[in-house]
Amino acid sequence: QKEVEQDPGPLSVPEGAIVSLNCTYSNSAFQYFMWYRQYSRKGPELLMYTYSSGNKEDGRFTAQVDKSSKYISLFIRDSQPSDSATYLCAMSVNTDKLIFGTGTRLQVFP
Amino acid sequence: DTGVSQDPRHKITKRGQNVTFRCDPISEHNRLYWYRQTLGQGPEFLTYFQNEAQLEKSRLLSDRFSAERPKGSFSTLEIQRTEQGDSAMYLCASRDQTNTGELFFGEGSRLTVL
Repeated sequence: QKEVEQDPGPLSVPEGAIVSLNCTYSNSAFQYFMWYRQYSRKGPELLMYTYSSGNKEDGRFTAQVDKSSKYISLFIRDSQPSDSATYLCAMSVNTDKLIFGTGTRLQVFP
Repeated sequence: DTGVSQDPRHKITKRGQNVTFRCDPISEHNRLYWYRQTLGQGPEFLTYFQNEAQLEKSRLLSDRFSAERPKGSFSTLEIQRTEQGDSAMYLCASRDQTNTGELFFGEGSRLTVL
């Protein structure tokens, strides 16, 4: 079993939809949780970062962490075609070694 | 500063040849990381440096792989006697030690082994 599980998709939604992306994990020592966005042939870029259970909001993006269930989510409101990318969850025990999920490919069509 | 820079962006080589990738991190960042990403997978940790010291190596980093950061600035990742299974994107990232979260990634060096 992988330490971090993520549905690879692809996920195809119409513009304006609410998107929900999820990851589960098995290592209860993970303390830091991140979401990265990766466009084709580019390096990942950080979207959201949190280290506590609960919700964190940034514009159209909301990150949710439930440590008791070992489950994290990223919600995208009012999705745009420019949000089409691969979304990677990542987590770590001490911030030095990130463990990534496989990534979920999202396509937002006009 | 233009961010993390990697060179070359794409390398095609024949099995058995040696290849070297270079990473120039953001100048004030003392931590530098190498990850490998294959198609349809997330990045996998390979190794990281604090200044010139290599602090951790993944078991994925076989003895054919070697990474250096001789002066605590740029880093090189060398793969000897390449195999087809080495074909992947090699990503470099950096961060400041005082920053608790964000890794800044380069655009990667794609290796194709024929």
